[in-house]
Amino acid sequence: NAGVTQTPKFRILKIGQSMTLQCTQDMNHNYMYWYRQDPGMGLKLIYYSVGAGITDKGEVPNGYNVSRSTTEDFPLRLELAAPSQTSVYFCASTGRNTIYFGEGSWLTVV
Amino acid sequence: DQQVKQNSPSLSVQEGRISILNCDYTNSMFDYFLWYKKYPAEGPTFLISISSIKDKNEDGRFTVFLNKSAKHLSLHIVPSQPGDSAVYFCAASAPTQGGSEKLVFGKGTKLTVNP
Repeated sequence: NAGVTQTPKFRILKIGQSMTLQCTQDMNHNYMYWYRQDPGMGLKLIYYSVGAGITDKGEVPNGYNVSRSTTEDFPLRLELAAPSQTSVYFCASTGRNTIYFGEGSWLTVV
Repeated sequence: DQQVKQNSPSLSVQEGRISILNCDYTNSMFDYFLWYKKYPAEGPTFLISISSIKDKNEDGRFTVFLNKSAKHLSLHIVPSQPGDSAVYFCAASAPTQGGSEKLVFGKGTKLTVNP
């Protein structure tokens, strides 16, 4: 059982470039999330989805976009990368009374 | 406004002793609380949870206590082991429109268990 899989694990972007962080889960969960974690800080919610075709903003959505065309996949897109988006990104999905995280994607914008 | 606070950024204990990690929250709508631990370069992993209808939940060496009147919860690890050394996050959730669980995290407490 793969759980939550996110790619890439590491990426360096130049300012203004765009990229997509991929996230997929094989547990048939309806709820999926993208979080970012900055040094010394807790996890902050960027976007979440309650099912295929439904997405909503979290605490820090600016500079990001998401889509949810299938139950399994929840990609996060950065259109114009900025240094403030240097962070560790975690995708997650919710099961019964718990949440499963991917291993994280380390993104550096230079 | 930080709704979930872990006021101790770090904690150091001896192997075999008790580790107590604390968490305070401000939102009275929170009805479910979770603890996660995170090793370096890995994603957080679920540890233990508690519903607001309970005041204690135990799972092996891990016990979570909830004091709703004080808006405080704590995680006890007894006995502590060197493998428990990690960053521990407290998280809370409140019912939201659409029924999703939007978790709010504390900043974490780094636990070091010394052999």
